[in-house]
Amino acid sequence: EIVMTQSPATLSVSPGERATLSCRASQTVSSNLAWYQQKCGQAPRLLIYGASTRATGIPARFSGSGSGTEFTLTISSLQSEDFAVYYCQQYNDYPPITFGQGTRLDIK
Amino acid sequence: QVQLVESGGGVVQPGGSLRLSCAASGFAFSSDGVQWVRQAPGKGLEWVAGVARDGSIHFYADSVKGRFTVSRDNSRNMLFLQMNSLRTDDTAVYFCARELRHDSWFFDSWGQGTLVTVSS
Repeated sequence: EIVMTQSPATLSVSPGERATLSCRASQTVSSNLAWYQQKCGQAPRLLIYGASTRATGIPARFSGSGSGTEFTLTISSLQSEDFAVYYCQQYNDYPPITFGQGTRLDIK
Repeated sequence: QVQLVESGGGVVQPGGSLRLSCAASGFAFSSDGVQWVRQAPGKGLEWVAGVARDGSIHFYADSVKGRFTVSRDNSRNMLFLQMNSLRTDDTAVYFCARELRHDSWFFDSWGQGTLVTVSS
């Protein structure tokens, strides 16, 4: 089973600033990595797949990069609606697919 | 538009059973992969189970193997999760989620979830 590790656990950023979230895989997942956003009490929302492809309707301020074992989600200019928990998920080696433990993005 | 609606959650004692349902609409259910993912209170996401489009192959997380059974009824656009021998650590919100593409194993549409509480 591939273990996904996200850092930091909590990130405090001011609106309008850039946020950088990291995800590391215990072994290579190629580019088979997705990012999700989850707000309190809601279902997850797909942001990025294929490590860097934005899902339908996702604003351009969200971007993903990386391959192999190291990945980054960048939000270029934080809006109030972006404060949430973010999860990475590998789908290279399954079952099982595995998720990171999440990064909580808080308002500074 | 794509819609997934889970039902069947509730409170059950340890060792008990529940059957969750997921009603799908707005897409070609029989052509798409739909799976179960859960989230314990205050915790992260955990994949639970999936089933092939024709219902012939089933996949389970080790934590539920032998206790949970996933199935689908393509004639009714429904996905099911039969949960037996429930344990307290099965307490979670259970989501059904649709794969963006068949066999992609990542999810572009999710239901709102149904809460399962296992407690004596």
